[in-house]
Amino acid sequence: KAGVTQTPRYLIKTRGQQVTLSCSPISGHRSVSWYQQTPGQGLQFLFEYFSETQRNKGNFPGRFSGRQFSNSRSEMNVSTLELGDSALYLCASSLLSGTRNTEAFFGQGTRLTVV
Amino acid sequence: GENVEQHPSTLSVQEGDSAVIKCTYSDSASNYFPWYKQELGKGPQLIIDIRSNVGEKKDQRIAVTLNKTAKHFSLHITETQPEDSAVYFCARGYSTLTFGKGTMLLVSP
Repeated sequence: KAGVTQTPRYLIKTRGQQVTLSCSPISGHRSVSWYQQTPGQGLQFLFEYFSETQRNKGNFPGRFSGRQFSNSRSEMNVSTLELGDSALYLCASSLLSGTRNTEAFFGQGTRLTVV
Repeated sequence: GENVEQHPSTLSVQEGDSAVIKCTYSDSASNYFPWYKQELGKGPQLIIDIRSNVGEKKDQRIAVTLNKTAKHFSLHITETQPEDSAVYFCARGYSTLTFGKGTMLLVSP
């Protein structure tokens, strides 16, 4: 069974640009969550999607957005990139929404560098 | 608030020794406590978890204990090996996961 797949693995963007990251969850998993990982702030929750609906949202500006497709694949978008957006963006998939019933499995992440 | 405090930030042990990492939380609604291991260049890997109705769980050399009254939980690794060297994160969950800052474990041969 394939794990969580994130593409691309690495990205370099310029300030002011926008970027789209992709996540394919484990087959059968319907929940996808996104996290930002930086040395200073650690792992921070961005948002969670389940059945194409955003279920939870973290404390990030509106420049960070996401969506989920009918096949459970998810994308996140960051507009008007800032230097501080440089981070490892991680996607986690779960069988169901929330943590009440299931574990969350992470992908390898997308390393975004903003220059 | 809803933060998770994790200690220590770094831990160095000799191969064969035990390692213990501790986390505390404040949100009483938390009912799920996973531990993740992250190696360089990889995403976090779930290694063990515990739910609020259980006090202890073991999986070979790894164990987790939970004290809901005191709101703390710990990861215990026995007979450490060099391949255990990584960053370990605790987390607490209800609807989403909140992570500790991580512990860098170094196991020397």
